[in-house]
Amino acid sequence: KAGVTQTPRYLIKTRGQQVTLSCSPISGHRSVSWYQQTPGQGLQFLFEYFSETQRNKGNFPGRFSGRQFSNSRSEMNVSTLELGDSALYLCASSSLPTDEQFFGPGTRLTVL
Amino acid sequence: AQSVSQHNHHVILSEAASLELGCNYSYGGTVNLFWYVQYPGQHLQLLLKYFSGDPLVKGIKGFEAEFIKSKFSFNLRKPSVQWSDTAEYFCAVNDDSGYSTLTFGKGTMLLVSP
Repeated sequence: KAGVTQTPRYLIKTRGQQVTLSCSPISGHRSVSWYQQTPGQGLQFLFEYFSETQRNKGNFPGRFSGRQFSNSRSEMNVSTLELGDSALYLCASSSLPTDEQFFGPGTRLTVL
Repeated sequence: AQSVSQHNHHVILSEAASLELGCNYSYGGTVNLFWYVQYPGQHLQLLLKYFSGDPLVKGIKGFEAEFIKSKFSFNLRKPSVQWSDTAEYFCAVNDDSGYSTLTFGKGTMLLVSP
């Protein structure tokens, strides 16, 4: 069974731009969560989706948004990028929200 | 809000030494507890998890953890570490809200010297 895949793996943007990151969960998994990982703050929860509905949202500004499609694939969008948005963005999937989560390799975003 | 604290940010051990990494959480209700590992250049992998039952749980690669409810702790142990255990270890908590949200500790970087 293929694992969680994230595209692109690396991204370089400049301040003020916007970016879209994609996540394909493990086949059959309907729950997708996103996390931001930085050296200073560690791993912080961004969003949780289940069956195309956002069920929970972390403490991030409105510039961070996401969605989930009917095939369970998910995207997250960051608008008006700031230097502090540079991070590794991780996606995790599970069969149900309360099940074990499997993480993808992440997308490394660098904002210049 | 929940929080998770990991006692050591960096740990250096020699091969065959015993390992114990501390993890404490703050949440008074029912919790699910996890230890994840991130090897250099690799993605987060689950080492072990506690949902209910026996508070001593065994995971992959010889790791185990003990849930002590009265101390709000979930410490990770391994009797004899190997060089290949060099990695960053994260403790995480999920509460009984029904959400999948994990609250992570800041991580402990373990360096095992051969």
